[in-house]
Amino acid sequence: EIVLTQSPTTTAASPGEKVTITCLASSSVSNMYWYQQKSGASPKLLIYSTSSLASGVPDRFSGSGSGTSYSLTINTMEAEDAATYYCQQWSSNPLTFGSGTKLEIK
Amino acid sequence: EVQLVESGGGLVQPGRSLKLSCAASGFTFSNYGMHWIRQAPTKGLEWVASISPSGGSTYYRDSVKGRFTISRDNAKSTLYLQMDSLRSEDTATYYCATGLRVYLGFDYWGQGVMVTVSS
Repeated sequence: EIVLTQSPTTTAASPGEKVTITCLASSSVSNMYWYQQKSGASPKLLIYSTSSLASGVPDRFSGSGSGTSYSLTINTMEAEDAATYYCQQWSSNPLTFGSGTKLEIK
Repeated sequence: EVQLVESGGGLVQPGRSLKLSCAASGFTFSNYGMHWIRQAPTKGLEWVASISPSGGSTYYRDSVKGRFTISRDNAKSTLYLQMDSLRSEDTATYYCATGLRVYLGFDYWGQGVMVTVSS
């Protein structure tokens, strides 16, 4: 099973600040997916196939990476971006998620 | 509009059974793989089971193999998860999800249904 390790576990950013969340895979994966989950809500797809923006997602979000190292970047933090973010891979069975990064607004 | 609506959750004693349903609408259900993903209270996301569009292939995480059964009724556009021999560690919100425009990811999720296993 591929283990996805996210860092940081928790972080806070001021409005306008740039935020980067990292996801390290225990083995190489072909692609990474990123989800945003706000309190009490279902997860929402942000990024698919490593760097493609899902429908309706603001372009301040971007994804990059390859092999075992991937990242999600929020170019300019907004209050509505406060949430928990998860990475996910399905290059290898079983499908796995990272443990999550909680992002708070300062 | 695509909708996934789960039902069937509740409080159940350890060792008992429960069957979840996920009613789909707004897309051609029989064309897409479907999945169950769960989230224990205050914890992260965990894939549970998947089923192919025809229902001919099913996949499970190891911890639920032999206890859970995923199935679908394409005529009713409904996904199911039969959960037997439930354990306290199965307590979670269960989401059904699918990828309509995304391969190997999930762009549509239900609202989730809570399952509590406790005596």
